[in-house]
Amino acid sequence: GENVEQHPSTLSVQEGDSAVIKCTYSDSASNYFPWYKQELGKRPQLIIDIRSNVGEKKDQRIAVTLNKTAKHFSLHITETQPEDSAVYFCAASMGTGGGADGLTFGKGTHLIIQP
Amino acid sequence: KAGVTQTPRYLIKTRGQQVTLSCSPISGHRSVSWYQQTPGQGLQFLFEYFSETQRNKGNFPGRFSGRQFSNSRSEMNVSTLELGDSALYLCASSLIGSNEQFFGPGTRLTVL
Repeated sequence: GENVEQHPSTLSVQEGDSAVIKCTYSDSASNYFPWYKQELGKRPQLIIDIRSNVGEKKDQRIAVTLNKTAKHFSLHITETQPEDSAVYFCAASMGTGGGADGLTFGKGTHLIIQP
Repeated sequence: KAGVTQTPRYLIKTRGQQVTLSCSPISGHRSVSWYQQTPGQGLQFLFEYFSETQRNKGNFPGRFSGRQFSNSRSEMNVSTLELGDSALYLCASSLIGSNEQFFGPGTRLTVL
């Protein structure tokens, strides 16, 4: 089955700096890669996703890049703010639609924004 | 639209008991997936239901089961509870044709 590795497990950055979280996956059949943000005691919330036919996607301060050949994808957050502090999870699935495939998650990155 | 809801939010059980958790998807979403979240194993896929049928299952023992009703609401059941079943159980709903999964707040299950 699919295996997703996520690094680092903890990332501390100064407010205003950029943060990068990296994931690798094992199954070349995976073609949907979402990123979730989970604040303490809250539900995971989808912040951005990418499909394998796209190399990069941006949404304001957040961007995701995908290297399908190397089976790597990364989350980039620019101009970090205190409210970005949370645990971030990457995930992968076959992406055939409607949740049927199940998401395989990385172990999460605890992002700490230092004031 | 109302988000995904789960009941109960907190539950305490003892070893050997069974438990049933409920999930109501976003209106119009017909796919419901269940995940277990623990500090050690992270988020793990349990199973997915669509149109009252289980379409996919993760690597969990048969003590974990689920079902879906005609209104798309779903329940999951865990029988013969073990201490290791203590976790946050999350459900997520999706529109058919979309990969986006929207999570509920979870049910925090503690097994004593």
